[in-house]
Amino acid sequence: DTEVTQTPKHLVMGMTNKKSLKCEQHMGHRAMYWYKQKAKKPPELMFVYSYEKLSINESVPSRFSPECPNSSLLNLHLHALQPEDSALYLCASSQDTGLGDQYFGPGTRLLVL
Amino acid sequence: GDSVTQMEGPVTLSEEAFLTINCTYTATGYPSLFWYVQYPGEGLQLLLKATKADDKGSNKGFEATYRKETTSFHLEKGSVQVSDSAVYFCALTPREGSGSRLTFGEGTQLTVNP
Repeated sequence: DTEVTQTPKHLVMGMTNKKSLKCEQHMGHRAMYWYKQKAKKPPELMFVYSYEKLSINESVPSRFSPECPNSSLLNLHLHALQPEDSALYLCASSQDTGLGDQYFGPGTRLLVL
Repeated sequence: GDSVTQMEGPVTLSEEAFLTINCTYTATGYPSLFWYVQYPGEGLQLLLKATKADDKGSNKGFEATYRKETTSFHLEKGSVQVSDSAVYFCALTPREGSGSRLTFGEGTQLTVNP
């Protein structure tokens, strides 16, 4: 099974809302990633978790807060977002940060009003 | 730093036409090279990869050969189908496997008409 699942598929939120994106994998991967993808652009790396610890934060604004409760789950907590944060948020996982291919989930399409 | 340059799109072809999407890279050492495909409304799928010079990656009729002398990894398919319509991203990592940092090209939109 090479599946990465993400929920919800779509999310609409106001600038004062708090919401969370969820990502799950059951491949035994120890590295998990959050990417942001704007229309007609490649994905941009936001965060990397390795063995449940945050290893890379690509200078992402604090209104995005990642969390890795266990080796299979990755959350992205959203608070006080701006309309320009509207994008497709992709989760990926790999065997390790230096090993194995990255498998991507289908993404959550976020619209901030 | 590392970079990937893809041919500009969009590319529009008729069904059964030959496809080439050019990709060149700049990197130190011996990067691993990848093609990802993104179908409308979906995430990225790894299409094929090559981890050393002269390796050929292949999958679903698509092929790409790692050419170190020309720093290229062009994607080809002999006969495209309507179902191949998607965005194709060339990418690299500085080491084997894409578990380390991926550097993507800008993507090439392919449309195949019946």
